[in-house]
Amino acid sequence: GQNIDQPTEMTATEGAIVQINCTYQTSGFNGLFWYQQHAGEAPTFLSYNVLDGLEEKGRFSSFLSRSKGYSYLLLKELQMKDSASYLCAVRPHTTTDSWGKFQFGAGTQVVVTP
Amino acid sequence: GAVVSQHPSWVICKSGTSVKIECRSLDFQATTMFWYRQFPKQSLMLMATSNEGSKATYEQGVEKDKFLINHASLTLSTLTVTSAHPEDSSFYICSARGSGNTYEQYFGPGTRLTVT
Repeated sequence: GQNIDQPTEMTATEGAIVQINCTYQTSGFNGLFWYQQHAGEAPTFLSYNVLDGLEEKGRFSSFLSRSKGYSYLLLKELQMKDSASYLCAVRPHTTTDSWGKFQFGAGTQVVVTP
Repeated sequence: GAVVSQHPSWVICKSGTSVKIECRSLDFQATTMFWYRQFPKQSLMLMATSNEGSKATYEQGVEKDKFLINHASLTLSTLTVTSAHPEDSSFYICSARGSGNTYEQYFGPGTRLTVT
């Protein structure tokens, strides 16, 4: 079956670095996405990985290892506004019926303290 | 670019009534839209895939007669919750598939439904 695991909650102080891990077991793989979601709001896109390696985007970086079914999101120089839920999403496969379907993890709540 | 809107942003209805939620792609054409439901402190659960001009594809366990989806144009999909019950109270979010290399999904702001 499909399984995407990420920690429930992480706490870090302002200015620090936090790494959110995500492991997945899906029927096929066609890309991994990270989204940020503030309470009561819709998710916003952060990053996309389809090949192994590190993708850097300002303070946020995302890493993927397809052989290990593993990704992480790295948040550097944490700010208070980074307090949110971070969702790992895998696009398992691509068919004409399911093009673009995502499987979401339960989300990791990051709490940034002063 | 790539803005998705939802209307209404929140709605309260009585048990047994029906509620329609609209999802619009404002600056791009979306042949495929997705409808999700999210309960408090839980992740997004895909309910159905909405394709313009054809019937929606529902996920296992989602009642298609209860959650009616109509994707009448390239910019509009609607979700109607029929005969709503308190257990249908949830945060409903739509998304539209992008057309770039990543084919990411652009999410609407969500609709908070409360059934009393």
